[in-house]
Amino acid sequence: GAGVSQSPRYKVAKRGQDVALRCDPISGHVSLFWYQQALGQGPEFLTYFQNEAQLDKSGLPSDRFFAERPEGSVSTLKIQRTQQEDSAVYLCASSFSRGSSYNSPLHFGNGTRLTVT
Amino acid sequence: EDKVVQSPLSLVVHEGDTVTLNCSYEVTNFRSLLWYKQEKKAPTFLFMLTSSGIEKKSGRLSSILDKKELSSILNITATQTGDSAIYLCAGTNFGNEKLTFGTGTRLTIIP
Repeated sequence: GAGVSQSPRYKVAKRGQDVALRCDPISGHVSLFWYQQALGQGPEFLTYFQNEAQLDKSGLPSDRFFAERPEGSVSTLKIQRTQQEDSAVYLCASSFSRGSSYNSPLHFGNGTRLTVT
Repeated sequence: EDKVVQSPLSLVVHEGDTVTLNCSYEVTNFRSLLWYKQEKKAPTFLFMLTSSGIEKKSGRLSSILDKKELSSILNITATQTGDSAIYLCAGTNFGNEKLTFGTGTRLTIIP
């Protein structure tokens, strides 16, 4: 596709529910990142994939957060037993090169706004 | 832990004015500094800076990095209402692939 596509655009979950957020990166992009952006804050790194390999998950806030990219293309971020503090915009970004090197800056999707009630 | 601080947090100016947005960073093993514009949802890439003192320019926007002062500025001349957005600054290091973002500067241009 022309850009990074994320779905759903909006998700409302009751506390305790599980959610799954999808990201379709730009075709051919090797690197894929997930970021969490709370209201009024800058994006915070969650995790990074190079093809299907999850090379860095240091930003995942708890073991309730899980991400996968099984075929090196589409990625899913899953949050189990959602809590109110999980409410945020979840941004996906992809890059042609390995990592976020200066030869190929990240292209972001429009994000999924998650509201936990 | 790497840290990026932006100032001011918000700025309101009239169309036609020139603005300067500031970014300071504390990044171990610094690699690059990036500027993004976030209008509604997706941040869009503006500039990537790796070398000190070399200005990057795109139309009315320009940016420069000062590695001695650990800072960068983003200048916008002859501002237009379409420049209204949140401007994000981010740093990267050679140790990992993540971007460390600042909180952003919310710029509002009044017609």
